[in-house]
This record gives sequence, structure tokens and C-alpha cells, in this order.
Amino acid sequence: TQLLEQSPQFLSIQEGENLTVYCNSSSVFSSLQWYRQEPGEGPVLLVTVVTGGEVKKLKRLTFQFGDARKDSSLHITAAQPGDTGLYLCAGAKAAGNKLTFGGGTRVLVKP
Amino acid sequence: DAGVIQSPRHEVTEMGQEVTLRCKPISGHNSLFWYRQTMMRGLELLIYFNNNVPIDDSGMPEDRFSAKMPNASFSTLKIQPSEPRDSAVYFCASSLAGMDTEAFFGQGTRLTVV
Repeated sequence: TQLLEQSPQFLSIQEGENLTVYCNSSSVFSSLQWYRQEPGEGPVLLVTVVTGGEVKKLKRLTFQFGDARKDSSLHITAAQPGDTGLYLCAGAKAAGNKLTFGGGTRVLVKP
Repeated sequence: DAGVIQSPRHEVTEMGQEVTLRCKPISGHNSLFWYRQTMMRGLELLIYFNNNVPIDDSGMPEDRFSAKMPNASFSTLKIQPSEPRDSAVYFCASSLAGMDTEAFFGQGTRLTVV
């Protein structure tokens, strides 16, 4: 069992639709990061959230950190084919502690 | 900066052979991480260096795996002897300070042990 559970594992949608990816844990994290990984490449950081209840927006992407800092969500509005990739959440239990990655959500946006 | 550089990009080797993966972190970064990614287990941290010193190697699967960082600009991950179950994509990442800051990943080395 992963410390960080991501759902769904796979998501296939049409261009223009919205989607939400979830990252859940029974543990509290001091910070949580979201990465996107494209085929043949390493993960690239999208955002870091550190405050319970925090909401961050990055163009069409909205990230939320749960009030209790145990969960997070990533919402994409009007998805585009360029959003296709593996989305990974990663959490640190305390400042300076190692990152633990979730299993990832593979998103496919069809034109 | 060219980012984190890993070599080789692909490696195919026979079971029992020694494999050495190489990494050049981003200049100025003082933390370096080796990860392994598979479909079954996702992205797993193998070992973490801070200022060239190994801090946490609890993710190293067994004694066949070893990692070194002789200086701030170079690290190796060695598998000896290699086994088919070691087949995976191995990533090196570096960051400015500590484990919970942004990690910059290399493009990975795809290792296939036959």
C-alpha cells in the first residue's frame, strides 16, 4: 500500500472536458508537490502547496491542499492534448524530510 | 544550465553483468537523489546525498546496489551483479537544499537486463 494513493490510476477524456485527480493519505504532510511526466522524460514540478486549505492556480490547472494537509487535488479545466501525461503527487512529512511519491495518474486527452 | 544530465539513456545488459549509471547534477545544487521507476512500484527513492554525503540509503534494494558521489558534480549508481528484476527507468534528480524542495529530474536511464 502506497503512503500516497492517487486516483484514478488512468483517465481518458476528450479535449475540452474537465478532469480532477486526487491524492490521498492518512498521514499529515508539511508540503505537497505535483509533478507532470511526459513519455521519455523525467517528472517536472508544477506546484508546491504548504498551507492547509491552500488553493493555487496555474493557468487552467487548479491545485488544492486539504485543510488537514492529508490530501490534495488537481483540477484541469478545458483539457487540451498537451495536458496528456503522468501526474504525480509527492509529499514531505516534515521540512527537510524525504519526498514520497504517489503511484501516479495517467491522463490521456484525445483531440 | 543544461539541467541534470544522465548517461547512458538506454542500457541493455545480460544478467550477471555490472551496470554503472552516471549523473551530473545542476551546478550549485547540494542535494542529489537516485530514483527507480517501474509500472508496478511507481517512483521509488533509492538513495539521497546532501553535500556529497549519503544521508538516506534505506531505499537501496540490496547489497548489489551501490552509489557514490565523489564530488559535487558527479554521481554513479552501480548494480553488480545485475538481475532481470532490476529492469526499470532510473532517474537522478538534484535540488538546491533538502528533500522537500523542488527536485529537478534528468531524462532517466532505461535499463533492461536480459
